[in-house]
Amino acid sequence: SYELTQPPSVSVSPGQTARITCSGDALPKKYAYWYQQKSGQAPVLVIFEDSKRPSGIPERFSGSSSGTMATLTISGAQVEDEADYYCYSTDSSGNHGVFGTGTKVTVL
Amino acid sequence: EVQLVQSGAEVKKPGESLRISCKGSGYSFTNYWISWVRQMPGKGLEWMGRIDPSDSYTNYSPSFQGHVTISADKSISTAYLQWSSLKASDTAMYYCARHSAGRATIFGVVSHLDYWGQGTLVTVSS
Repeated sequence: SYELTQPPSVSVSPGQTARITCSGDALPKKYAYWYQQKSGQAPVLVIFEDSKRPSGIPERFSGSSSGTMATLTISGAQVEDEADYYCYSTDSSGNHGVFGTGTKVTVL
Repeated sequence: EVQLVQSGAEVKKPGESLRISCKGSGYSFTNYWISWVRQMPGKGLEWMGRIDPSDSYTNYSPSFQGHVTISADKSISTAYLQWSSLKASDTAMYYCARHSAGRATIFGVVSHLDYWGQGTLVTVSS
């Protein structure tokens, strides 16, 4: 079945830039979405349709996509951005969702 | 205000059946798909499948097809996830999530998971 691959972990100091990648064969023709999940909480959408930011999400979160890779960038990461991040997309049929393997972001 | 309220935590034995629920409010329930997502202890999110509450049409992940059943009762704005015979490996947190309204784009009609339930913890142990 279709897979989206992410690095297991990313670590940055406060104020630095964190970049999380998501690789998948269908991404050239499917949007990527990014979810933030803090410990014990339900996921929250931070980026939709590759690069759009929902209302209420800080401007330091941005997204991009090129070819088979989508990227979530946290510019000037804050301690409160520590969380697990998952990309989400669909397979080529569009009928089946899939989450990436997840990336733990540490800010310290 | 859009809300998805899930049923409470469950503790079951292997082989038992179970149905958990997800009640939508604050929007027109039949206009938005509902997906179910599994998160095993300490692990990542897994998309299980989705349902169109207007006609109960479903799509399942190949990984979950045949192992669970997704259904909905539009008269009470509730979606369900059920098992006929639980296994210890079904122990997990289960989330329901609403799909956003479909939007026409260069990639066709797309939607994403915009509102999430609080999760239902299912523990299967002898």
